[in-house]
Amino acid sequence: DGGITQSPKYLFRKEGQNVTLSCEQNLNHDAMYWYRQDPGQGLRLIYYSQIVNDFQKGDIAEGYSVSREKKESFPLTVTSAQKNPTAFYLCASSTDRVNEQFFGPGTRLTVL
Amino acid sequence: KNEVEQSPQNLTAQEGEFITINCSYSVGISALHWLQQHPGGGIVSLFMLSSGKKKHGRLIATINIQEKHSSLHITASHPRDSAVYICAVAFHYGGSQGNLIFGKGTKLSVKP
Repeated sequence: DGGITQSPKYLFRKEGQNVTLSCEQNLNHDAMYWYRQDPGQGLRLIYYSQIVNDFQKGDIAEGYSVSREKKESFPLTVTSAQKNPTAFYLCASSTDRVNEQFFGPGTRLTVL
Repeated sequence: KNEVEQSPQNLTAQEGEFITINCSYSVGISALHWLQQHPGGGIVSLFMLSSGKKKHGRLIATINIQEKHSSLHITASHPRDSAVYICAVAFHYGGSQGNLIFGKGTKLSVKP
């Protein structure tokens, strides 16, 4: 089955540690996205990538980093510089930026 | 500032009722999306539209470009429709050009 996978579903880390969230898709999509969701707020764009080896900052990129070495994979690293990292993180992909986005199941990160 | 407003924030209905969720936005858009988020967090794309009306099963989405307004209707609602419904738009202009801007969502609960 084609789709997007994110792992793990729940992740706990100590304050000050970097953590990497996985996102893999087998839809052959060029564009991939990372969003953050906080209670009572809409999703906000962290980073996006339109093609392999290229990515752009979204609205709230500070404290995060990404890579896009393969078409299928777009991992997100939450660094210790991110002041409030506890949130629900969603990865998405689309054929290109103007088309429908398909979302992964999300990873809930809790920093203790 | 490009904004997306949804109403109502919360909605409780009895099974079988006709439901309407509204979305308003501030400036010209290239597309509007309706998404469904279940309690586990996963998001499913319901519709992407730039004009007129689309229908899928019991779901109907309409958009009025002149009034900058869209509605999502659910006919013959069922408890399995209980979810958060999210409106997202891709603006033509501004700092978020091309990126999706999300509403805060409407939490729907359908009682049997």
